[in-house]
Amino acid sequence: QSALTQAPSASGSPGQSVTISCTGTSSDVGGYNYVSWYQQHPGKAPKLMIYEVSKRPSGVPDRFSGSKSGNTASLTVSGLQAEDEADYFCSSYGGGDNFVVFGGGTKLTVL
Amino acid sequence: QLQLQESGPGLVKPSETLSLTCTVSGGSISDSSYYWGWIRQPPGKGLEWIGTIYSGGRTYTFYNSSLKSRVTISIDTSRNQFSLKLNSVTAADTAIYYCARHRCTSTSCPFDYWGQGTLVTVSS
Repeated sequence: QSALTQAPSASGSPGQSVTISCTGTSSDVGGYNYVSWYQQHPGKAPKLMIYEVSKRPSGVPDRFSGSKSGNTASLTVSGLQAEDEADYFCSSYGGGDNFVVFGGGTKLTVL
Repeated sequence: QLQLQESGPGLVKPSETLSLTCTVSGGSISDSSYYWGWIRQPPGKGLEWIGTIYSGGRTYTFYNSSLKSRVTISIDTSRNQFSLKLNSVTAADTAIYYCARHRCTSTSCPFDYWGQGTLVTVSS
């Protein structure tokens, strides 16, 4: 069982917006701004999409945005494109020796 | 461009030790700005952080509490490599194992570069 909770699936049509949530506790997501989001296409390594809750690494389209409220972080993908279909994982600092905790992942389907 | 490459046996027998090495190229593993981690992913499942090592002077290691009794991560700065050992493996340890770099600041520590991953199967 993953430390952070994500819905197993989400979907949207091209051009629409979709929001994926990641729920933790005050000891991880709620306690720090160390929330990151990763995109993983089948057979590929994860790719960093968002870090520090809402920052985008160079090269990540601004269609991807992140936010946090309390113990829940969110990733919003606007203007959905076919290539956005992938698994998305959230992560956070877990406190103490648990340097990193991950969510179980959300499979995003572009209809 | 930084690159990470995992290497090691793809098949390990139950109760034996899984050993993997991550070779870093295009950057120094001794750079004090970065930590180096191992993550695994059972086929069709989610990501699990295994542990992290830092060697920017003194060496520090951090382990997933659920694996801590079986895991050792070490670093060889002369070879620009870091390694993972997981002992007493079972079928539940079958997974794709990734090595990755943490780019750490005072406010964030994401994995910004990943290796391609290597599948390790535990089976007799």
